[in-house]
Amino acid sequence: KAGVTQTPRYLIKTRGQQVTLSCSPISGHRSVSWYQQTPGQGLQFLFEYFSETQRNKGNFPGRFSGRQFSNSRSEMNVSTLELGDSALYLCASSPIRGGTSDTQYFGPGTRLTVL
Amino acid sequence: GNSVTQMEGPVTLSEEAFLTINCTYTATGYPSLFWYVQYPGEGLQLLLKATKADDKGSNKGFEATYRKETTSFHLEKGSVQVSDSAVYFCALSGATNKLIFGTGTLLAVQP
Repeated sequence: KAGVTQTPRYLIKTRGQQVTLSCSPISGHRSVSWYQQTPGQGLQFLFEYFSETQRNKGNFPGRFSGRQFSNSRSEMNVSTLELGDSALYLCASSPIRGGTSDTQYFGPGTRLTVL
Repeated sequence: GNSVTQMEGPVTLSEEAFLTINCTYTATGYPSLFWYVQYPGEGLQLLLKATKADDKGSNKGFEATYRKETTSFHLEKGSVQVSDSAVYFCALSGATNKLIFGTGTLLAVQP
């Protein structure tokens, strides 16, 4: 079974631009979560989607948004980019939403650099 | 709120040495506990997990036991290899399916 795929793998943008990242979950997985990884803040949860609905959101400004499509693929968008948005953005999928034992499987990430 | 604390790195060991990376957590209810590993330039790979007290997760020679009485989930391996060099993250998830991570521990194994 193919793993979680993320595109693009690398991205360079300038301040003020916007960016869209894409994530395709493992086939059959319906929950998709996004995380930001930076050297200073570590791994932080952005949001979770299930059945095209955002079910949980982390502590990030409204410039960070996402959506999920009917085939469970997800996109996240960052508008008005700031230098501090430079990070590795990781997508994770899990088979079902709910309960405490859902294991999340991660993609390789998208490395975003903001100049 | 829920949180994870893991030992600071880097941890430098010689090949075949014994490894312990400490992880403790604070959580309400009964979270699931995980160890993920990240190799340079890659995403996170699930190493092992445990979903209830006294469960032992194991994979590739690594082990960790869910200890509710000490709120710990320490990672151990009896004999490390150079290929184990990576960053290791302890994490928990509660009812919301959101993962909360520790700060990560860099392991460097020297031949």
